[in-house]
Amino acid sequence: EPEVTQTPSHQVTQMGQEVILRCVPISNHLYFYWYRQILGQKVEFLVSFYNNEISEKSEIFDDQFSVERPDGSNFTLKIRSTKLEDSAMYFCASRQNTEAFFGQGTRLTVV
Amino acid sequence: AQRVTQPEKLLSVFKGAPVELKCNYSYSGSPELFWYVQYSRQRLQLLLRHISRESIKGFTADLNKGETSFHLKKPFAQEEDSAMYYCALSGLGNQGGKLIFGQGTELSVKP
Repeated sequence: EPEVTQTPSHQVTQMGQEVILRCVPISNHLYFYWYRQILGQKVEFLVSFYNNEISEKSEIFDDQFSVERPDGSNFTLKIRSTKLEDSAMYFCASRQNTEAFFGQGTRLTVV
Repeated sequence: AQRVTQPEKLLSVFKGAPVELKCNYSYSGSPELFWYVQYSRQRLQLLLRHISRESIKGFTADLNKGETSFHLKKPFAQEEDSAMYYCALSGLGNQGGKLIFGQGTELSVKP
C-alpha cells in the first residue's frame, strides 16, 4: 500500500539554524499539507499546497516558514531560523479525495 | 469559530466493556467529520468518516447535528484498541480543505 514518507525521523538543530523537513507524498495525490504537534498539544494545521502553490496557511506559518515541491515528488517544509518553540512533531499529509494520508512524522528538537 | 473538542484526555476501560470517546465540534457550514487513530509509534490513520457511515474494527460514530457531536463508540473494547484517537473536521465537499483536530483522547484497554 502506498505511504507518505518523511525524512528524517528525528532532527536536532541549534536555535537560529535553518532546517528542511522532507516528505514524499503518495504519487497520484494532488493536495499536500504540513501539520505540527507540540508535545502534549493538539495536531495543528500549518499549510496546504495545491497546483504548485499555497492554498491556505495558518497564523503559525509566518515568514520563517516556506514550502516547496521542487521536483514533482518531494514536498519540503523549510524553517529559516529556528526558535525553541518550533520544537514539535511535524506531519506531512497528502490527499486525493476526502481521506488524508499521513507520514510518520519528523520530531524536530531545537536546542 | 472552527473547533473540535475532545473533553477526555484519557479513557481507561477493561476489555469487553463498552467505550465511548466524545467529540463535539463548532463549524459555520457543513462539516465532514473524521476519527483518526494513532497506535503506538505509528502514523495517524483514518478510522472512519461520517459520510461513509461504516463500522471499522467494531467502531461506529454518528453525526448528531443538533448536538454538534460525533462520538466514537464500540460495544466491546479489545486490548488492541489501545491508542490515541483524534476527532477532526473539514469542510464538506472541500477536497483541498485542511483538517482541524481535537486534542485527542488516549484510550487504554486493560486486560
